[in-house]
Amino acid sequence: EADIYQTPRYLVIGTGKKITLECSQTMGHDKMYWYQQDPGMELHLIHYSYGVNSTEKGDLSSESTVSRIRTEHFPLTLESARPSHTSQYLCASSAGSGANVLTFGAGSRLTVL
Amino acid sequence: DQQVKQNSPSLSVQEGRISILNCDYTNSMFDYFLWYKKYPAEGPTFLISISSIKDKNEDGRFTVFLNKSAKHLSLHIVPSQPGDSAVYFCAASLFQGAQKLVFGQGTRLTINP
Repeated sequence: EADIYQTPRYLVIGTGKKITLECSQTMGHDKMYWYQQDPGMELHLIHYSYGVNSTEKGDLSSESTVSRIRTEHFPLTLESARPSHTSQYLCASSAGSGANVLTFGAGSRLTVL
Repeated sequence: DQQVKQNSPSLSVQEGRISILNCDYTNSMFDYFLWYKKYPAEGPTFLISISSIKDKNEDGRFTVFLNKSAKHLSLHIVPSQPGDSAVYFCAASLFQGAQKLVFGQGTRLTINP
């Protein structure tokens, strides 16, 4: 059973719109991540968080922003969507120290027209 | 520069035979490696991992081999079953507990009946 939930699963939106991708986990994990994946390509880390009020940018530059006000919630926002933002966005979480094993959500597939 | 490479985008294997998925890496500082499996419309799920102090780790039908001198790891699945058909991602990190995983681009495995 999935313990990390992403909504919406699919979103088609016009250029210039503001979007928020939601991610929630019920496992009490401190660490949360956002990865971006294009078809046939590797997953790229775009944001991560060690805990509440902690956010860091990942290895791949992204115009998106994130917030971590509550342990269980890690939303990603694009202020003005563009076609270049079309991709799949995967949220993940992991437990405390010593944990490399990430639990992923099912993903949000974003299409910007 | 891609640090983790899966050079075979796809692999087709007959049911009951052995499936071997390969992964190469360039960063000699990586010392913990993971394999994830991904079904369509789902997030990746953790499969098996290996630390650099080992050269083999086995879990049921799945075995991961690590050759540090060659910077190469492989995942063996035996016997292969139709439910193993999925995309398999190799991932690496600098130490167990590191915040960031670097992923390969994945190999699509198809098990034929």
